[in-house]
Amino acid sequence: DIVLTQSPATLSLSPGERATLSCRASQSVSTFLAWFQQKPGQAPRLLIYNASNRATGIPARFSGSGSGTDFTLTISSLEPEDFAVYYCHQRSNWPRTFGQGTKLEIK
Amino acid sequence: QVQLVQSGAEVKKPGASVKVSCRASGYNFNSYGITWVRQAPGQGLEWMGWINAYKGNTDSAQKFQGRVTMTTDTSTTTVYMELRSLRSDDTAVYYCARDLNFPQLAPDYWGQGTLVTVSS
Repeated sequence: DIVLTQSPATLSLSPGERATLSCRASQSVSTFLAWFQQKPGQAPRLLIYNASNRATGIPARFSGSGSGTDFTLTISSLEPEDFAVYYCHQRSNWPRTFGQGTKLEIK
Repeated sequence: QVQLVQSGAEVKKPGASVKVSCRASGYNFNSYGITWVRQAPGQGLEWMGWINAYKGNTDSAQKFQGRVTMTTDTSTTTVYMELRSLRSDDTAVYYCARDLNFPQLAPDYWGQGTLVTVSS
């Protein structure tokens, strides 16, 4: 199974700052990687698919990059509603897998 | 609008089975699949499996093989996930999500989640 390792586990930032979240795969997943946001008590929300494509309705401050084994989710200027847990998800191999998550908290 | 509505919370004893439903509306049910994901309390997301909503073919994570059955009913646009031989560590919120299953795409609409509690 492909293991996705996210870093850092927790990221403490203030509104208006730039957030950079990392996801590393144990083997190449090409660009077949997605990012989800999850808030407490809610279902995950798709942000990015195929490494760099924003899902419908996702603000432009969210961007994704990377290929192969190293991927990044960037939030250019944090809004109060962006503080949540973020998961990466690989679509290259069966079984599909998720990273363990990065908690983005208010500093 | 696309909606996935799941069945309500369940409490089960160890060794029992649970069947969670996911009723889809607002899109062409036969053109998509459904992915199942679960989340134990305070933990991350765990991919369980996927079913083609029209053909019914499935794929599931090895840890669930032999214990999980996913089925589809095109007449009611509902997908079901049954998990057998429940253990306490199966306590989790179970989510269904619409999924075309192409590698370059991802589950885009999610159900509200179903809490399954396994307790003696």
